[in-house]
Amino acid sequence: DAGVTQSPTHLIKTRGQQVTLRCSPKSGHDTVSWYQQALGQGPQFIFQYYEEEERQRGNFPDRFSGHQFPNYSSELNVNALLLGDSALYLCATTKRGARETQYFGPGTRLLVL
Amino acid sequence: QKEVEQDPGPLSVPEGAIVSLNCTYSNSAFQYFMWYRQYSRKGPELLMYTYSSGNKEDGRFTAQVDKSSKYISLFIRDSQPSDSATYLCAMSLLQGGGYQKVTFGIGTKLQVIP
Repeated sequence: DAGVTQSPTHLIKTRGQQVTLRCSPKSGHDTVSWYQQALGQGPQFIFQYYEEEERQRGNFPDRFSGHQFPNYSSELNVNALLLGDSALYLCATTKRGARETQYFGPGTRLLVL
Repeated sequence: QKEVEQDPGPLSVPEGAIVSLNCTYSNSAFQYFMWYRQYSRKGPELLMYTYSSGNKEDGRFTAQVDKSSKYISLFIRDSQPSDSATYLCAMSLLQGGGYQKVTFGIGTKLQVIP
């Protein structure tokens, strides 16, 4: 049973660039949530995708956008990168009937220089 | 005031000690209460979740929820060096459409010394 996978594991970008991060959900899971975790902080909710639509959004600017594909995998896009976007980006997935149990991927560590 | 407050530590204990980790919260609408363990440079791993006030036990771990005081705890018995990690409390409430909105604490860094 494959768990949640994310790619790439690490990424270095410069200010102003754009980045795309990818997440494949755990088998049987259909909902993907994205979180940003700055160093020494808890994960902050960015947004959640279900049935290929953004269903909920946290307090993040429009520079953060996403997409969910028919196979339930998801992408997180960040435009016009700022130094403050440096963080661990986590995706978490859930399935119908067990929405309270999120399974996290290993994360993508983004460094913006 | 943050919705979820958690002491970041670090907390250092000798092997075999009982560890107590705590969080307080301000939103009485929270319905589910979770504890995650996060090893360095890894994603969080769900340890336990509870819905109601009271205790829930799983092996060496006990989760306790007191909704009247808006206070949750995680106890680790017979702590092991492998328990050294950051422990995140998290709470969720049901949004419209059946979606859970999860709010995390800052995490408490625990070190168990052999």
